[in-house]
Amino acid sequence: QKEVEQDPGPLSVPEGAIVSLNCTYSNSAFQYFMWYRQYSRKGPELLMYTYSSGNKEDGRFTAQVDKSSKYISLFIRDSQPSDSATYLCAMTLNDMRFGAGTRLTVKP
Amino acid sequence: DAGVIQSPRHEVTEMGQEVTLRCKPISGHNSLFWYRQTMMRGLELLIYFNNNVPIDDSGMPEDRFSAKMPNASFSTLKIQPSEPRDSAVYFCASRDREGTEAFFGQGTRLTVV
Repeated sequence: QKEVEQDPGPLSVPEGAIVSLNCTYSNSAFQYFMWYRQYSRKGPELLMYTYSSGNKEDGRFTAQVDKSSKYISLFIRDSQPSDSATYLCAMTLNDMRFGAGTRLTVKP
Repeated sequence: DAGVIQSPRHEVTEMGQEVTLRCKPISGHNSLFWYRQTMMRGLELLIYFNNNVPIDDSGMPEDRFSAKMPNASFSTLKIQPSEPRDSAVYFCASRDREGTEAFFGQGTRLTVV
């Protein structure tokens, strides 16, 4: 079993849809949870960062962490074509472990 | 700061040749990571340095891969001999301290023919 599991998709939604992206993990020692966004032929860039269980909101983006279930989510409201990218969850203890990434396409 | 700088951006080499990838982390960052990204396996951690010391190299696929960090501003990832299955995008990332954001370079796209 991988330490971090993420459905690679691809996921295609119409513009304006709510997008839900999820990851599960096996190591309960992970302390920090992040979502990175990666555009084609670019390096990943940090999108959201959380430490504790609960929700964190930033504009159209909401990150959720449920440590008891070892489950994290990223919600995108009012999705836009510019949101089309690969979204990777990441978790840190000392190093950083990534999920496989979910490729999202938002169609106009 | 110019961010994490990787070179070369693209590398095409023949099977059996030695390949060296280079990384300059962000000044002041004390952690450095090498990742390999493929469609099949996603973003895999190869090795992690802290204060120039390799902390975890359990992700290095085999003895053909080696990484060094001779000082705080430079790291190399070497593959010798290279094989077609090594074809991937290799990313370097650096971080200020544990629990903070890691910044990625643009990656090196390696093709071994």
